[in-house]
Amino acid sequence: GAGVSQSPRYKVTKRGQDVALRCDPISGHVSLYWYRQALGQGPEFLTYFNYEAQQDKSGLPNDRFSAERPEGSISTLTIQRTEQRDSAMYRCASSLTGGAENNEQFFGPGTRLTVL
Amino acid sequence: GIQVEQSPPDLILQEGANSTLRCNFSDSVNNLQWFHQNPWGQLINLFYIPSGTKQNGRLSATTVATERYSLLYISSSQTTDSGVYFCAVERGFGNEKLTFGTGTRLTIIP
Repeated sequence: GAGVSQSPRYKVTKRGQDVALRCDPISGHVSLYWYRQALGQGPEFLTYFNYEAQQDKSGLPNDRFSAERPEGSISTLTIQRTEQRDSAMYRCASSLTGGAENNEQFFGPGTRLTVL
Repeated sequence: GIQVEQSPPDLILQEGANSTLRCNFSDSVNNLQWFHQNPWGQLINLFYIPSGTKQNGRLSATTVATERYSLLYISSSQTTDSGVYFCAVERGFGNEKLTFGTGTRLTIIP
């Protein structure tokens, strides 16, 4: 497809379960970003990749959160032992270069995670 | 980290009215983007505007990087303009993450 895609679009899980959220960036985009958006707030940075290398994971809230992009394309954000406070919209974005020029980020539709 | 403030937080207008949304940021930035989050939750790119002025139909934006602010102008508002408008900035040079403002919620009344 032409845009960033994410799956699933909605995920309801029970506390303590692990979840994996998938992001498929725009074809050819080097950089991939994960953000989390709580209700009524703007998105907050979690982590990002250039190709397959994780460049910055300073926004991951704790060690239950991890992300990978093994082949430099599709990325998975994994949350282990989910807690109710993890409920949020998880957004993925990609950009062409990730460098100083032309780093416009394009967002996917998001995955709405609800932890019961 | 860098602080991004948007004003006003809420704006209710009659269809056809014009509006100006403001974004202030606390430090120099390499890039700035404006987004529209529509009622279905999708984040739509409006402008990529680290400096200068751009126009796209009824929308235009101006960023004055030296004074650390950006403005989004919406003219002849339509009900489909309703939603939340976010400004987001990027420091660049090894710090490519976007830092978002708190948003302006715009409601256009028919």
